[in-house]
This record gives sequence, structure tokens and C-alpha cells, in this order.
Amino acid sequence: AQKVTQAQTEISVVEKEDVTLDCVYETRDTTYYLFWYKQPPSGELVFLIRRNSFDEQNEISGRYSWNFQKSTSSFNFTITASQVVDSAVYFCALSVPGYNFNKFYFGSGTKLNVKP
Amino acid sequence: GAGVSQSPRYKVAKRGQDVALRCDPISGHVSLFWYQQALGQGPEFLTYFQNEAQLDKSGLPSDRFFAERPEGSVSTLKIQRTQQEDSAVYLCASSLRTGGSGANVLTFGAGSRLTVL
Repeated sequence: AQKVTQAQTEISVVEKEDVTLDCVYETRDTTYYLFWYKQPPSGELVFLIRRNSFDEQNEISGRYSWNFQKSTSSFNFTITASQVVDSAVYFCALSVPGYNFNKFYFGSGTKLNVKP
Repeated sequence: GAGVSQSPRYKVAKRGQDVALRCDPISGHVSLFWYQQALGQGPEFLTYFQNEAQLDKSGLPSDRFFAERPEGSVSTLKIQRTQQEDSAVYLCASSLRTGGSGANVLTFGAGSRLTVL
């Protein structure tokens, strides 16, 4: 079975603090993809990053960084020097191959509040 | 269009009414998905279209839910005889390619928030 767990329901930080959002996944597939999406109050999910199961290199994009560890089935997301505009709900998702399409399995999300 | 467009953004229905939710995907995107997002939860898969063909509808909660994409572009999700448990945000997403590799990135619309009284 496929499952994504985001144990942190809500996190509040003060602007400029660093914050890490945790994501733990379960799958028996050896080939899979992991995603992070951001959902601002406007509602649409905005794609942030995609990693495949064979690439454990960490990635940095500006203030964002991602730590993928297969040994612990985790794909954590860190925001450095957080800003008010980072306030949103963040979803981690697992995508596994399928015959016709890849089905996404989402975690329940972590709501990040960044206060000025 | 530039993004995935959904309408209406908000819909209030009385229990028992039928509703129709529209999704206009990115032009040229072959794959189209519908997801249901309950309050405080992540999106859950409802159904998938490849062009006009509905290839998977395993996530539709009941036979009151029906989706179509007759010309392979715009899609409509219809809910008959709405119930209170149908209250949720319905998200549409599209993807340029077909295929089940797992790599396809989905582009989501802003969703249609349905409230059933």
C-alpha cells in the first residue's frame, strides 16, 4: 500500500527563522517519485519539486532545500530564512507507476504560519 | 489557457440537488484528473481521463458521481442528489503527457468548493 505521513499539522514561526517540514512515505515499489506542492490561500496546488527514487542527492533552490533519505523513507523540506509569503499549506506526495497514468498519494499537509 | 481553470469557485447546494463542476485544462494537455480534498486533508484521487477516454474511475465515492470529457478538453464532474458528506473542494489537474512512469507533474486548478446544506 502507498502512504504519505506528514505528522506536523501546523507550524508557526517568526519571519527569518528556518523551518523543516517532515514527510515520511511508504511504498513497496522500487521506482517512485516524490513531490512537494504548496497550497496558498487561493487554493491551487503549486508544484515545488520532484525527485525520483534513484536520486538521493539533496537539492537546494534559493531558500528551499530538500533532504531525501531512502533509509528512513523520508523526504523533508526546509525553508531557510522564512518569509510571510511562505505561509501556506504544504503537501508531500508519492507518485507510483501505473499502467496508464501515475496516481498521486498525498499526505494530509502541514500548515505553515510565518509571522512578521 | 495559461493555467487550469475551474468554475464555479464556490457552490452551495441544498441536499438532494444536482451540481456540475467544470474544469478547463491547459490547452494541449492530454491527461486530466479530478481530486477531492476534504477540509484539513490532502487531495484524494477520483478519476482520470486520457483525452476523451475515462481510463480510471476507481476513486469516485458512489454512483452519484459522474465525470465526462467528451471532446478531450473541458471536463465536467457531476454529482447527483448531493449529500452533506459531499462537501469538499474538488480539484482538477492536467498533465501534458500520458504514461504511467510516475514522473508526470500535475498542474492544478484553484478548485471548486462545494458546500451541501
